[in-house]
Amino acid sequence: DAGVIQSPRHEVTEMGQEVTLRCKPISGHDYLFWYRQTMMRGLELLIYFNNNVPIDDSGMPEDRFSAKMPNASFSTLKIQPSEPRDSAVYFCASSLGRPLQETQYFGPGTRLLVL
Amino acid sequence: EDQVTQSPEALRLQEGESSSLNCSYTVSGLRGLFWYRQDPGKGPEFLFTLYSAGEEKEKERLKATLTKKESFLHITAPKPEDSATYLCAVQSNSGNTPLVFGKGTRLSVIA
Repeated sequence: DAGVIQSPRHEVTEMGQEVTLRCKPISGHDYLFWYRQTMMRGLELLIYFNNNVPIDDSGMPEDRFSAKMPNASFSTLKIQPSEPRDSAVYFCASSLGRPLQETQYFGPGTRLLVL
Repeated sequence: EDQVTQSPEALRLQEGESSSLNCSYTVSGLRGLFWYRQDPGKGPEFLFTLYSAGEEKEKERLKATLTKKESFLHITAPKPEDSATYLCAVQSNSGNTPLVFGKGTRLSVIA
């Protein structure tokens, strides 16, 4: 298996622009997680899905952030409009079954820079 | 609120110099404690899960231990390839809760 796939790997945009990050989880995994990592705050969970349904979005910082999972093999995280403080590395992870019982596998991340 | 504190923030070792990384946690009830390794420019990679105090797990030069308040990641005779950031995370047994991560320890092993 190719593992969790994220695109793009790097994104540079200007403040106010819309940003869309993409994730393809490992085939067969039924949990998908979106994280944000910064030096100041470390790795923070933004939202997670189970069987394509959002379960907990309490980590989404503002209404400017939205996430969808239209099918089992694809998810997007959108920021509209983007702001410089959104600059971070965004990770997608997936797991099989209950989060406790199974390891979360992380993608390589998308490094976002908002100017 | 569940919390994880890792120390030190950064650690520099000579090759072969053994040491330990600390992960202190506060959680209402521990379901599991996880250690991950993260290399620069990559996502975290799973190392261990510990479930109860007294449990130990080993992988090559790494050994993870768990008490009721903290976990240690012991590194024996480290090599330069062990250089990475090591992340600790906890999961509460309150419902189906996600992981809460610490900020990590950046380990550098110098040849």
